[in-house]
Amino acid sequence: GESVGLHLPTLSVQEGDNSIINCAYSNSASDYFIWYKQESGKGPQFIIDIRSNMDKRQGQRVTVLLNKTVKHLSLQIAATQPGDSAVYFCAEGSPGAQKLVFGQGTRLTINP
Amino acid sequence: GAGVSQSPSNKVTEKGKDVELRCDPISGHTALYWYRQRLGQGLEFLIYFQGNSAPDKSGLPSDRFSAERTGESVSTLTIQRTQQEDSAVYLCASSLYILGYEKLFFGSGTQLSVL
Repeated sequence: GESVGLHLPTLSVQEGDNSIINCAYSNSASDYFIWYKQESGKGPQFIIDIRSNMDKRQGQRVTVLLNKTVKHLSLQIAATQPGDSAVYFCAEGSPGAQKLVFGQGTRLTINP
Repeated sequence: GAGVSQSPSNKVTEKGKDVELRCDPISGHTALYWYRQRLGQGLEFLIYFQGNSAPDKSGLPSDRFSAERTGESVSTLTIQRTQQEDSAVYLCASSLYILGYEKLFFGSGTQLSVL
């Protein structure tokens, strides 16, 4: 559901390691899912999306995995770099839905 | 324009004053959202416009908040009698909604500080 009034959970990883950011979505009828990256002082930016007829989709250094059975979405970032430091949001949408619904968000910090 | 434009980028106001925030969406985008983001927190949905449909105002926190959009163009978010708790970044996003799929494009936000 919508993220309101909660301080963001934080994930800390070593530079060069892989990062996995998780998201539990709420609507079993959701048809597509999107990951956004928000750097400090900026609005969220689209990273990658996936439709419900897929389990996995790869981009440049990023992979999104979808497990519809347990309503779980993850974003994997390979070889994490300092520029990956940001807040990451998942969002879900469904046919006929009036709007996208954003998850809580996770702050990713990179340790040198 | 190239992206979603919001103005002003920063706004400092005194408690009790009214403020108006502006969003210029990407041309042709039928949907427009407003979100509030307090420091260190997630996105709080405020209001959603989709074409000529009645706006979804379910996220507006009080009757001091209102928003308008004329057609598929500019939107303004108005906060009356501002309170210190209204201090936050207000983000606008627009999207093209086709066949049940949409991708949002966000502006950089307006940082509102209520003293």
